[in-house]
Amino acid sequence: AQKVTQAQTEISVVEKEDVTLDCVYETRDTTYYLFWYKQPPSGELVFLIRRNSFDEQNEISGRYSWNFQKSTSSFNFTITASQVVDSAVYFCALSDRTGNQFYFGTGTSLTVIP
Amino acid sequence: DTGVSQNPRHKITKRGQNVTFRCDPISEHNRLYWYRQTLGQGPEFLTYFQNEAQLEKSRLLSDRFSAERPKGSFSTLEIQRTEQGDSAMYLCASSPWGFGDRDTEAFFGQGTRLTVV
Repeated sequence: AQKVTQAQTEISVVEKEDVTLDCVYETRDTTYYLFWYKQPPSGELVFLIRRNSFDEQNEISGRYSWNFQKSTSSFNFTITASQVVDSAVYFCALSDRTGNQFYFGTGTSLTVIP
Repeated sequence: DTGVSQNPRHKITKRGQNVTFRCDPISEHNRLYWYRQTLGQGPEFLTYFQNEAQLEKSRLLSDRFSAERPKGSFSTLEIQRTEQGDSAMYLCASSPWGFGDRDTEAFFGQGTRLTVV
């Protein structure tokens, strides 16, 4: 069975602080994909990143970085120098190689205080 | 391309009424998904289409729910005899899955918020 756990329900940080959002996943598959999505108050889920299970290289995109560790089944997301516009709910998701379903965690609500 | 479009954005209906939502995916995306999201939860899978074929349905999709994707383009999700428990955000997503290893992400619309009173 596929499962994604985001243990942090809500996080508040002061602007310019760094923040890490945790994601732990469960799967028996050897080929799978991991995703992060951002959901601002408008409601639309915005795609941020995809990782496949064979690529454990960390990735950096501007102020965003992702740390994928298969040994701990984690795919954590760090925002450096947070900004008020980063305030949103962030979801981690998992799919198998077929992509028939995306399994989402319960999300982490991030509030960046000016 | 304007992304995934969903209509209406909001729908308020009385219990027992039927409602229909529409989703226009990104053009040429072969996959289309429907998800439901309740307050404080992540999206839950309802069903997906590969072109016009509905290939998988969740147990969440009771017989009051039906989805179609005629001609493999837009899709509709109908809920018959709505119940208060149907109140949620209904999200549609499309994906070019299968065109290459890189094309595995799903792009979501802004959702239709249903309130059953």
